[in-house]
Order: sequence, then structure tokens, then C-alpha cells
Amino acid sequence: EPEVTQTPSHQVTQMGQEVILRCVPISNHLYFYWYRQILGQKVEFLVSFYNNEISEKSEIFDDQFSVERPDGSNFTLKIRSTKLEDSAMYFCASRRAGGNTGELFFGEGSRLTVL
Amino acid sequence: AQSVTQLGSHVSVSEGALVLLRCNYSSSVPPYLFWYVQYPNQGLQLLLKYTSAATLVKGINGFEAEFKKSETSFHLTKPSAHMSDAAEYFCAVRGDQGGSEKLVFGKGTKLTVNP
Repeated sequence: EPEVTQTPSHQVTQMGQEVILRCVPISNHLYFYWYRQILGQKVEFLVSFYNNEISEKSEIFDDQFSVERPDGSNFTLKIRSTKLEDSAMYFCASRRAGGNTGELFFGEGSRLTVL
Repeated sequence: AQSVTQLGSHVSVSEGALVLLRCNYSSSVPPYLFWYVQYPNQGLQLLLKYTSAATLVKGINGFEAEFKKSETSFHLTKPSAHMSDAAEYFCAVRGDQGGSEKLVFGKGTKLTVNP
């Protein structure tokens, strides 16, 4: 069964460093998302991406964050200068076109620890 | 704005007992409602979804949920718990207010199944 894959599974970085989290969505999906979950808190929406542009973003998704689909398969989340409060599990998700109630398929997450 | 409240961050049941995980939502538009499950070290997997068709929704692994508009609830149930049901369960709401398609998640309920 096709699945969303994320790398790395765990990354430890120093505050102020740049981090790139990578995702390979399911191949025929056209909508892409990033969510995050700070330990003990809710899963929060960060950004949605369609047709090579951001379609919606939350207030969390400030200028330190960016997303990109550099080729036909990868979907990346970049944090330019990490802060302690960026420590969280980051989930990538995708869905196919058609039907706005479509199911989101989530990856296993990338745990980011900022020291 | 949409919101979700999951009552009980931890629920413990015996194997074979009824599982009831509570979810109440707030939405100013007819909502789409979802239950996701997260097994240890895995991503979020859709259990079931309500999209304004039948109010009683059946999902995978014997789970079902009933949409009750008068109570703004979407509780998840399973008649007989199995050890493999131990996981964290997330209720989520999505409304099309303003064209937003983001999911708003509850804090999650960790289900423990005792032998």
C-alpha cells in the first residue's frame, strides 16, 4: 500500500541552525501538508500546498518556515533558524485531488529536537 | 473557529470491554469530522470520517462513531476492546469556513487495554 515517507525520523540540532525535513508524498496525490505536535500538545496545522504554491498557512508558519516541492516527488519543510520552541514532531500529509472531504494520509513523523 | 475537545487524556479498559472515547466539537458551519489513530512510532491513520451522509459512521477495526448535532458530539466506540487497539486516538474537525481545509485536532486520548 502506498505511503507517505518522511526523513529523518529524528534530528537533533543546535538553536539557530537551519533544518530541512523531507517528505515523499503518495505519488498521485496533489495536495500536501505539514502539521506539528509539540510534546503533550495538540497536532497543529502549519501549511497546505497545492499547484506549487502555499494555499493556506497558520500563524505558526512565520518567515522562519518555508516549504518547497523541488522535484516531482519531494516536499520539504525548512526552518531557517531554529528556536527551542520548534522542538516537536512534524508530520507530512498528502491527499489526492477531487472531493474536499478527502482523506489525509500522514507520514510517521520527523522528531526535531532543538538544543 | 473550529475546535475539538476530547474528554479524558487517558482511558483504560479491559480486553473485551466497551471502548468509548469522547469528542465534542465546535463549528459555525456543518463540520466534517474525523477520528485518527496513532500506534506507537507510526503516523496518523484514518479510522473513520463523517461527511454529512449517515450519522452513524463505521470505520476500520470495528470502530464506529455517531454524529449528534444536538450534542455537538462525535464519540468513538467499539463494542469489544482488543489488545491491539492500544494506541492514541485523535478527533479532528474540518469546516469549509472561508475555504479552509485545515484539520483542527483534539489533544488526543491514549487508550490502554488491560488483559
